[in-house]
Amino acid sequence: EIVMTQSPATLSVSPGERATLSCRASQSVSSNLAWYQQKPGQAPRLLIYGASTRATGIPARFSGSGSGTEFTLTISSLQSEDFVVYYCQQYNTWPRTFGQGTEVEIK
Amino acid sequence: QVQLVQSGAEVKKPGASVKVSCKASGYTFTNYCIHWVRQAPGQGLEWMGIINPSGGAPIYAQKFQGRVTMTRDTSTTTVYMELSSLRSEDTAVYYCARVDTPIITLGAFDIWGQGTMVTISS
Repeated sequence: EIVMTQSPATLSVSPGERATLSCRASQSVSSNLAWYQQKPGQAPRLLIYGASTRATGIPARFSGSGSGTEFTLTISSLQSEDFVVYYCQQYNTWPRTFGQGTEVEIK
Repeated sequence: QVQLVQSGAEVKKPGASVKVSCKASGYTFTNYCIHWVRQAPGQGLEWMGIINPSGGAPIYAQKFQGRVTMTRDTSTTTVYMELSSLRSEDTAVYYCARVDTPIITLGAFDIWGQGTMVTISS
């Protein structure tokens, strides 16, 4: 199975600053990579699919890039509601696999 | 609006089975596959399997083979996930999630159910 590795596990950033989250796949997943945001007590929400396409209703401050094995989620200017957990996921092969998550916390 | 609504919380004893439902509305049920994902307390997301509401055999994660059964009822636009031989490690929130692309299984998970807490306790 493809192992998804996210870094860092915790990212400390000040409000208004940029956050850069990384996700690495143990083998190529092409562009079949999604990013999800999860707030406490809620289901995950799709942010990015196809590695770089924002899902419906997602603010422009969220952007994704990469292909193959290296991917990045960038939040250009952190708002208070962005300090939560983010997961990457590959949907290129079975089984579908998720990274372990990156928590973005207030610095 | 497009939504998935799951059944309520469950408490089960070790060795028992649990069946969680996920009712779809707001779109053509048979056009989109549904995944099941679980999340143990304080942990990450774990994929369990996928079912195509239009038919065909579900695909299960190897970890759950032999213990999980996913079914669907097109008359009520509901999918079900049954997990048997429950143990304490199965305590988790179970989510259903829709594939964002019609007909095929390739796609991200665009609509999620609210989650169902399943607690295994003697």
